[in-house]
Amino acid sequence: DTAVSQTPKYLVTQMGNDKSIKCEQNLGHDTMYWYKQDSKKFLKIMFSYNNKELIINETVPNRFSPKSPDKAHLNLHINSLELGDSAVYFCASSQDLGAGRGNEQFFGPGTRLTVL
Amino acid sequence: GQNIDQPTEMTATEGAIVQINCTYQTSGFNGLFWYQQHAGEAPTFLSYNVLDGLEEKGRFSSFLSRSKGYSYLLLKELQMKDSASYLCAVYNFNKFYFGSGTKLNVKP
Repeated sequence: DTAVSQTPKYLVTQMGNDKSIKCEQNLGHDTMYWYKQDSKKFLKIMFSYNNKELIINETVPNRFSPKSPDKAHLNLHINSLELGDSAVYFCASSQDLGAGRGNEQFFGPGTRLTVL
Repeated sequence: GQNIDQPTEMTATEGAIVQINCTYQTSGFNGLFWYQQHAGEAPTFLSYNVLDGLEEKGRFSSFLSRSKGYSYLLLKELQMKDSASYLCAVYNFNKFYFGSGTKLNVKP
């Protein structure tokens, strides 16, 4: 049983296109996140949602628009893709907001986006 | 700003002990996490510290000193499968700030 799943795993597309990445978690968690991991392996928070509400929007260009139709899903839509968007995008979830024992994040397998 | 530093790469021998350090300078602190990430895979949770001291979990232990802004992950009885990147992350005001990770190479 996959705890956090993402689709697609690989995404190759042309500059200027619009694409979406989907994320689902079956852990019953309240909080979900999107991270971007660049070629230097920095994992940087982009967005977090708690109970479908946006909590963090970490100075991400407005070409990136997250959508949370329900607590179990957090999708990422990207408009007008640019070369610099090439990276691995990870979805994650945690029981709720806040740190604490038992509130670690569970990550999805990642989506490797390549913009040509 | 938030600054989290880790060595870029380390090499150790199978069966040995290795210590991976993490220093942080953040505007606040609500806990520190360590994650393991194998190449091409997702990070997976290893340990959590919020109070000073050592947390032990099988072959892995993690230490925290809040006054020094310092943590380390200790891996004992190294196995080949421990070859991976180890990410230190500080939790502060609803955000996780990750270091760039330490790539550990375990050699026979």
